[in-house]
Amino acid sequence: GDSVTQMEGPVTLSEEAFLTINCTYTATGYPSLFWYVQYPGEGLQLLLKATKADDKGSNKGFEATYRKETTSFHLEKGSVQVSDSAVYFCALSEGDYKLSFGAGTTVTVRA
Amino acid sequence: DGGITQSPKYLFRKEGQNVTLSCEQNLNHDAMYWYRQDPGQGLRLIYYSQIVNDFQKGDIAEGYSVSREKKESFPLTVTSAQKNPTAFYLCASSPRAFRGNEQFFGPGTRLTVL
Repeated sequence: GDSVTQMEGPVTLSEEAFLTINCTYTATGYPSLFWYVQYPGEGLQLLLKATKADDKGSNKGFEATYRKETTSFHLEKGSVQVSDSAVYFCALSEGDYKLSFGAGTTVTVRA
Repeated sequence: DGGITQSPKYLFRKEGQNVTLSCEQNLNHDAMYWYRQDPGQGLRLIYYSQIVNDFQKGDIAEGYSVSREKKESFPLTVTSAQKNPTAFYLCASSPRAFRGNEQFFGPGTRLTVL
C-alpha cells in the first residue's frame, strides 16, 4: 500500500540556517504530494502541494519538488526563523482519496 | 469566517464510557475525515465520508463509530470498546474526495481517559 517515510527528528537549528526535511514515498500510481505544518496544540495547515511529476510547490519561503524518478518530495527553506518551529508532515493522496502521512519531523529554531 | 470547528478542545472520560466528539464545517465541503494522532506518530485515518449518509472505515476504525446525517456535521463516538482512546483527534474536510484536493483541518480535541 501507499506509504510515506520522512526523516526522523527532532531537528534543531539556529535562525537563518538552511532547513531540509527528507521525504520519500511508495505508491502504485501517480499520487499528489503534500507538506503540512502543525504548530503546538493546533490542527494541521497545508504548507504546499504538488500534483504531478516535476511540479514545485512553494509557500512562505518553503519549497518542495515532486521527483518521480527518486520518489521524493523533500522540503527546503533557505533561512529559517524562530516562528518556523513546528512539526512538519509529508503526506500523499492517491486513488482512494485518503491522505497517508509520514511520522512527522519536529523542528526547533533557536534565536 | 469559514472553517472547521471541533468541540470540546479537551475531554476527559472515565473507562467504560462512550464519548462523542463534535466536528462542524461551514466550507460546503462534501468529504469529511477523522484522524487520530499519537505522540511521535503520523496521523491515522479512523473514518471518512464522501457524501451525506455514507461513510467508510479507515485504517483504525475498531472501537469508533460515526454518522453523517448533515453535510456540515461528522461526529465521532469513541466507544468503550476502544482499548487505548487517549489521543489527539483531528477532523478534516475537503471539497470532494479527489486525490489533488487539500484537506482542511480543525483545531483538534484532546481526549484523556482517566
